[in-house]
Amino acid sequence: DQQVKQNSPSLSVQEGRISILNCDYTNSMFDYFLWYKKYPAEGPTFLISISSIKDKNEDGRFTVFLNKSAKHLSLHIVPSQPGDSAVYFCAAKTDYGGSQGNLIFGKGTKLSVKP
Amino acid sequence: NAGVMQNPRHLVRRRGQEARLRCSPMKGHSHVYWYRQLPEEGLKFMVYLQKENIIDESGMPKERFSAEFPKEGPSILRIQQVVRGDSAAYFCASSPVGQGTMNTEAFFGQGTRLTVV
Repeated sequence: DQQVKQNSPSLSVQEGRISILNCDYTNSMFDYFLWYKKYPAEGPTFLISISSIKDKNEDGRFTVFLNKSAKHLSLHIVPSQPGDSAVYFCAAKTDYGGSQGNLIFGKGTKLSVKP
Repeated sequence: NAGVMQNPRHLVRRRGQEARLRCSPMKGHSHVYWYRQLPEEGLKFMVYLQKENIIDESGMPKERFSAEFPKEGPSILRIQQVVRGDSAAYFCASSPVGQGTMNTEAFFGQGTRLTVV
């Protein structure tokens, strides 16, 4: 049973436009959410995160929005650049229970930004 | 400041052999996490270790898989008697404190791609 879902396996966007990547979760105990970016043959690199007590976090071209009532978060990239083309993973974690040390990842969305 | 170092980058093993994957965390990091990524899947948590201690191994298969993080040296993920289904990318991550105690993102290595033939 997938606790973190990224329902769009791929997304194609024109350079300069906005990219919106979506993520849904089922576990209401998640209290921290992260986005990672991954290029082929490399490890994931941290992009941006948000605590469950916030609904928005912004860092340069990247903004993450959290809607707790809908159990939904999204990553906005504005403006999109060709170098943003990568697989984006949504991840979540909880401070409760036995598994405090692990992140739960979605399956990823492959973003292609076309020049 | 070197990042998380994993070796080897690629590992080919025949069915029944043992695979040893090594991970050196970032300098100053005492917490290590191992994840596995199967083709077309997201990363799946396997095990969380501190120096000389296994904190959470809820994601480890019950048999053939083991992990350690000794006082000296890298963390080792060991897979005995490998089968074709073990073929995957194995990623190690490290953090300065436990992810359950502080909202610190983990830094990932480049991964080891294990192919079982």
